[in-house]
Amino acid sequence: DGGITQSPKYLFRKEGQNVTLSCEQNLNHDAMYWYRQDPGQGLRLIYYSQIVNDFQKGDIAEGYSVSREKKESFPLTVTSAQKNPTAFYLCASSNGRESREQFFGPGTRLTVL
Amino acid sequence: DQQVKQNSPSLSVQEGRISILNCDYTNSMFDYFLWYKKYPAEGPTFLISISSIKDKNEDGRFTVFLNKSAKHLSLHIVPSQPGDSAVYFCAASATYDKVIFGPGTSLSVIP
Repeated sequence: DGGITQSPKYLFRKEGQNVTLSCEQNLNHDAMYWYRQDPGQGLRLIYYSQIVNDFQKGDIAEGYSVSREKKESFPLTVTSAQKNPTAFYLCASSNGRESREQFFGPGTRLTVL
Repeated sequence: DQQVKQNSPSLSVQEGRISILNCDYTNSMFDYFLWYKKYPAEGPTFLISISSIKDKNEDGRFTVFLNKSAKHLSLHIVPSQPGDSAVYFCAASATYDKVIFGPGTSLSVIP
């Protein structure tokens, strides 16, 4: 069954700790994306990657970091520099140049206490 | 500056009636538009899309209309069903590698 998995579904961390959110896809998509959703707001782009070992900052990259060592994986680290880390984080993938439709994972709800 | 706007945060419609969700955009370089549906605590799912070379695209109960001169698109759902109750995001793209999402409209279909 092809799709995108994000783990865990819910994550709690203490303030000042870094935390890494997992995103894995078996759709053989080249492009992967990380978004953040806050109540009443749309999806805001954090980082995206069109190819392995390459990624670009989105609109709200400050306080976040990513890596793309494998085509299937695009983990997001929320660092202690992120001032308001509590949010719903969504990972997506697409075929890149072939299609602009993005497929989303189920999301991770991060709560920083 | 919001490039994709959905000015109605919420909409209530009776079951069986038509739901019309509106979206406006400011960037004239956008040439591809998408609608996504999202349930609480889940990821969005793709509904329907339209290229700027068309003015209408249909898929079952869902139809998207594009008015390029007005920089406006709308999603029509006919007939509306209770399972359609969700948040609907309008999205637009000017390049293959990025999609800009609107803030969403919460649709409630009342039985």
